[in-house]
Amino acid sequence: AQKITQTQPGMFVQEKEAVTLDCTYDTSDQSYGLFWYKQPSSGEMIFLIYQGSYDEQNATEGRYSLNFQKARKSANLVISASQLGDSAMYFCAMRERDSNYQLIWGAGTKLIIKP
Amino acid sequence: DAGVTQSPTHLIKTRGQQVTLRCSPKSGHDTVSWYQQALGQGPQFIFQYYEEEERQRGNFPDRFSGHQFPNYSSELNVNALLLGDSALYLCASSRGGQGGEKLFFGSGTQLSVL
Repeated sequence: AQKITQTQPGMFVQEKEAVTLDCTYDTSDQSYGLFWYKQPSSGEMIFLIYQGSYDEQNATEGRYSLNFQKARKSANLVISASQLGDSAMYFCAMRERDSNYQLIWGAGTKLIIKP
Repeated sequence: DAGVTQSPTHLIKTRGQQVTLRCSPKSGHDTVSWYQQALGQGPQFIFQYYEEEERQRGNFPDRFSGHQFPNYSSELNVNALLLGDSALYLCASSRGGQGGEKLFFGSGTQLSVL
């Protein structure tokens, strides 16, 4: 079974609109962490935001926020006021307590911002 | 402050050959993780090195091996290359043996096996 599922292979969004990228996860651990990374065409993975399973509030980092719904095992990324430079691949990833040193990744969503 | 640097950026090999990829971690980082990213997929964890030892390994065969040097730089070696080894190989560094938060990635080595 997939541990990280990103159901949107691609999305087109108008510049300045908000966008939500979906991520659902599967784990039996009580302690885990969820991450979002951005991968532009250059190939480098850029850390965006982190949410711990015990964090009571949704994480925010500038224009990025994470809509964490623990009961639904959902960790959607919200980008407010999208910009042309946001066009990239976006990956959701998880670190489980029992595999503390590795990240498990989804297949990614390709986001294209239209001017 | 230099980030994570990987070399070479691109590499073309033929089946059966051996390849060595190199990674220098971000200044102040002592932990290096390697990931394989096939085209159109998310990265897959290969292994992590900390204090010059392999700390954790993903589901990769023994053809994949690595090394970490005293200056924290690392090498990834792949023997007996297969066509399926064609991928982007990403190196990530972190501090204090952690594998999750504040991972910094290099731009990767694109390996093509013909």
